[in-house]
Order: sequence, then C-alpha cells, then structure tokens
Amino acid sequence: AQSVTQLDSHVSVSEGTPVLLRCNYSSSYSPSLFWYVQHPNKGLQLLLKYTSAATLVKGINGFEAEFKKSETSFHLTKPSAHMSDAAEYFCVVSDPGTGFQKLVFGTGTRLLVSP
Amino acid sequence: SAVISQKPSRDICQRGTSLTIQCQVDSQVTMMFWYRQQPGQSLTLIATANQGSEATYESGFVIDKFPISRPNLTFSTLTVSNMSPEDSSIYLCSVEGRAETQYFGPGTRLLVL
Repeated sequence: AQSVTQLDSHVSVSEGTPVLLRCNYSSSYSPSLFWYVQHPNKGLQLLLKYTSAATLVKGINGFEAEFKKSETSFHLTKPSAHMSDAAEYFCVVSDPGTGFQKLVFGTGTRLLVSP
Repeated sequence: SAVISQKPSRDICQRGTSLTIQCQVDSQVTMMFWYRQQPGQSLTLIATANQGSEATYESGFVIDKFPISRPNLTFSTLTVSNMSPEDSSIYLCSVEGRAETQYFGPGTRLLVL
C-alpha cells in the first residue's frame, strides 16, 4: 500500500527565509505525489503535483518540490517565506486502488512564519 | 478546476441526532469522495460515491453510520447518523478532475455535544 511520512509536525521560519517541508513516500510502483495546503478555516488547495514528468515541479505561490526516487522523497521548498504562507501542509500520494484515484494523506506539517 | 460548495459550513448538534451534509459541484463529475478530518489530524477517506451505484466505503466506515446519496452527476450527500462527540470533525467532499487532481470543498465543521 502507498503511504507518505511527513517528517516534521511543525516548522518555524522567519519571514524572508527559506522553507523546507520534508516528505518521504512508500510505493510499490511509480507514484503520483501532491502537496496540498490548508489555511485556517479554509478548504484544501492544491499546491503542486508530480505525475512522472519532470522531477522538479513548480507550483503556485513560489513553491516547488523535487521528486527523488533514490531517496523516496518529495520535499517542498520555497526560497523566501511570506507571512501568508502560515498554514498546514499535506503531502499526499495517489493509490490507484480499485480503478479510481484514492488519496493517502500524510499527517501534515504546520508552517509557522514569524515577522 | 471545479468549484465545490458544502452546506452547512458548520453545525453544533446533540448526541444521538443525525446531520446531512450536502456537496454541490459546478460541473458534472463521475466520482465524488467524502473525507473526515478529526481535530488536529489528517484527512481520512470515508467513501467513494459514483452516480447510480452504491457508495464504496473504506475500512472502518459503514453505511449505517455514514449513508451517502449520489442522485446525479453534480450532487452528493453524506449523513452522519446517531452522532456522538467522537464524530466531531471536519467533513470534506472532493471530486476528481483532470490529470489525477482532486478538488476539495470548503468543509463542514461539526461539533457534537
């Protein structure tokens, strides 16, 4: 079965500094991987997705993630944090299951951004 | 991308009662999904709903507790039956778009007293 492990439950950065949110995946075949963001009292928004094309994936709001098969990782990065980036981030793997796209969510990483 | 709305956005309910959550999509979709997000937790898939067929439930979730309807290609409901405080969660619906992308509704925040 597919699974993802988010290595940090909380990450704290200062505004203007780089962001790194770590995710490792487990998959028996080539996975589809996603990062979703959830702002307080808001729904989930797709940041970016990897589906076996380019290994470096660019998403919205300046975020990007690199798929590294040798390390089974899909870490999310941003060069410079903004206060509005404070939110919960979920790494997600797609499990084809029984013919539909079943999403398996990581436990989430809460990003805190200080002035 | 699909635009999804949910009703109600939040509710406070008494134990033993039932609540039906509605999910409306602005386009026709084949598959709709219902998730639960317990306080401070990640999302867990409850069931998958195809139009015209019975919903498919994940392990740990049963139809008697979470009956689902899917009357057409733009609408679904999830009922949380005989509620207890442990059912206090955010319930989200999602739809499958193109290229393996799922779009989520804003969620229904349920508190059971």
